Order: sequence, then structure tokens, then C-alpha cells
Amino acid sequence: GESVGLHLPTLSVQEGDNSIINCAYSNSASDYFIWYKQESGKGPQFIIDIRSNMDKRQGQRVTVLLNKTVKHLSLQIAATQPGDSAVYFCAETSGAGSYQLTFGKGTKLSVIP
Amino acid sequence: DAGITQSPRHKVTETGTPVTLRCHQTENHRYMYWYRQDPGHGLRLIHYSYGVKDTDKGEVSDGYSVSRSKTEDFLLTLESATSSQTSVYFCAISDGSQSGSQHGYTFGSGTRLTVV
Repeated sequence: GESVGLHLPTLSVQEGDNSIINCAYSNSASDYFIWYKQESGKGPQFIIDIRSNMDKRQGQRVTVLLNKTVKHLSLQIAATQPGDSAVYFCAETSGAGSYQLTFGKGTKLSVIP
Repeated sequence: DAGITQSPRHKVTETGTPVTLRCHQTENHRYMYWYRQDPGHGLRLIHYSYGVKDTDKGEVSDGYSVSRSKTEDFLLTLESATSSQTSVYFCAISDGSQSGSQHGYTFGSGTRLTVV
């Protein structure tokens, strides 16, 4: 079946450096993507989203890039802070009407002070 | 947190017993979802609802049933709990706007269920 996955399961970065988390998806019909951050003991929290008619979207310290040609998403976090340590998930919509999300397995980001 | 609460937050139950988890929202969103989260699998959809009394199966629905008798509540029932159902369960709500913001697709804080 079609699925969303991640290239790297763990990522360690130095505080102040930029982080890049990658995600591959296989459903060419996906039209909406979301990045979530999940801290220990909490539910996923929305970070940023992007629609398939865009290739880049910026938020506060975060940027999402979408490459539809190779079905690849990335999340860039600028000036990574200790509070950014968490597991990051990409998700895509699957199926019209029900707006179900299909999630990747997650990448754990550890920030080294 | 964004008008969605799950109860209980933690539960330990014995194999073979029925268990019901509750998701309550105050956002009047049409769509509600139940996911389970396990190491190595990420979040997987169990069941979802697209309106009162309108529900459908997700990827991992075996052993689970749901009910939605009113907009604000979505119940997940494990008919006869098994150890393989030990997991963290998340409820999510959506207004169908394909907006991932806090007013679009939002998750609860989770219920940690242990089946012994």
C-alpha cells in the first residue's frame, strides 16, 4: 500500500545549528501535508503545513519544502533550540471527504546544548 | 488544549475485559478520529467518524468498535482487550478545512492503555 516514511530515524544537532528532517511519500495523489512535533507524553502538535500546489512555505523558524517530482518533503528548523527536541512526524491526507492522515514513523531530534 | 479532551489518561486492564475510551470536543468539528501509537509504527488510524452515527474503519480496526451518538463525543471500545492492544491512543478532530492549524486538525493528549 501507499505510505509516508522518513529517511532518518534519529538526528542530533548542536544548539544554534539548523536542522533538516526529511520525509518521503509514495501517494502521488496526496494534496496536503503537515509536519507535527510530539514531545514526550503529549499529543502531536501542528508545526506547519503545505498544499501540493506549493513548493515552499515558511513559518516562524521553520520552513517546509515540497518536491513533488521525487515525492519528498523536508522540514527545516533554523537556529535549533533545546526546546525543539522532540519526535517529528510528517503526515499526508489520504482520501477525499474523510480527511484521514497517514503518518510517517517519526524522526527523533536531539539538540545538544 | 484546543477543546479536545481524552479520558482516562491512563488505564490498566486485564485481558478479556471490555474497555471504553472517551474523546470529547468543544469545537463542534465534524470529523473525529482514533489513532494508536506504537514504537516503530508511528500513528495508525483505527476508526474515524464523519458525523453523528457515521463511522468507518481505518487501517487497524480489528478488535475495536466506535460510537458517535452526538457531535462532541467519540467513544472507542475494545470489546475484549488483548495484550497487543497495549498502546497509547490518540483522538483527533478536524473541521474538514484541510487546515493543520489548531483550528483544523488537532490531537488530544492521549490515553495510555496497558492490558495485563
